[in-house]
Amino acid sequence: TQLLEQSPQFLSIQEGENLTVYCNSSSVFSSLQWYRQEPGEGPVLLVTVVTGGEVKKLKRLTFQFGDARKDSSLHITAAQPGDTGLYLCAGGLISSGSARQLTFGSGTQLTVLP
Amino acid sequence: EAQVTQNPRYLITVTGKKLTVTCSQNMNHEYMSWYRQDPGLGLRQIYYSMNVEVTDKGDVPEGYKVSRKEKRNFPLILESPSPNQTSLYFCASTRLAATNEKLFFGSGTQLSVL
Repeated sequence: TQLLEQSPQFLSIQEGENLTVYCNSSSVFSSLQWYRQEPGEGPVLLVTVVTGGEVKKLKRLTFQFGDARKDSSLHITAAQPGDTGLYLCAGGLISSGSARQLTFGSGTQLTVLP
Repeated sequence: EAQVTQNPRYLITVTGKKLTVTCSQNMNHEYMSWYRQDPGLGLRQIYYSMNVEVTDKGDVPEGYKVSRKEKRNFPLILESPSPNQTSLYFCASTRLAATNEKLFFGSGTQLSVL
């Protein structure tokens, strides 16, 4: 059972359209990160949200952390072909050793067609 | 340039033939981790290390070994690879000082076990 569920799993849209990707869990996380992964490369961090209800913007990308810190969303406005990639959410759990452990979602493969 | 370097990028081997995937980081990070990525399952943690000579199991440690004799290196060892270990592997590192530090990922190692 995946601790973090992402939806949709696949998304193909035309350039200029808006989209939202969701990351949901029944667990509470201390923080939530979003990564983007391009073919042949490792994931690269886009943003970290730590406060319930927090909203962060990165150009055309808007990230929100749910009030209860169990879910998050990523909204892209006017998508461009350069946004194509695998988007991964990752929840931060504090272990007994105080080392941050990340649990990753299954990912959303986004394709933006020109 | 700050980076995590994995080698090799691609590896094809046969069942039972011991192999090692190397990982090195040049950022003086305390924390290093290995993940495997399979379609629809996201990133699953294999082993992690919080410092030299300190390693611990992640979510899917069976069939893998690691060692952390030096701070910069964290090799992943498959003593007797099996076909179900065919996967894309990522090494990652981060500082332990802040709880929300981002993970730096290597470019991945695509392993095929025949």
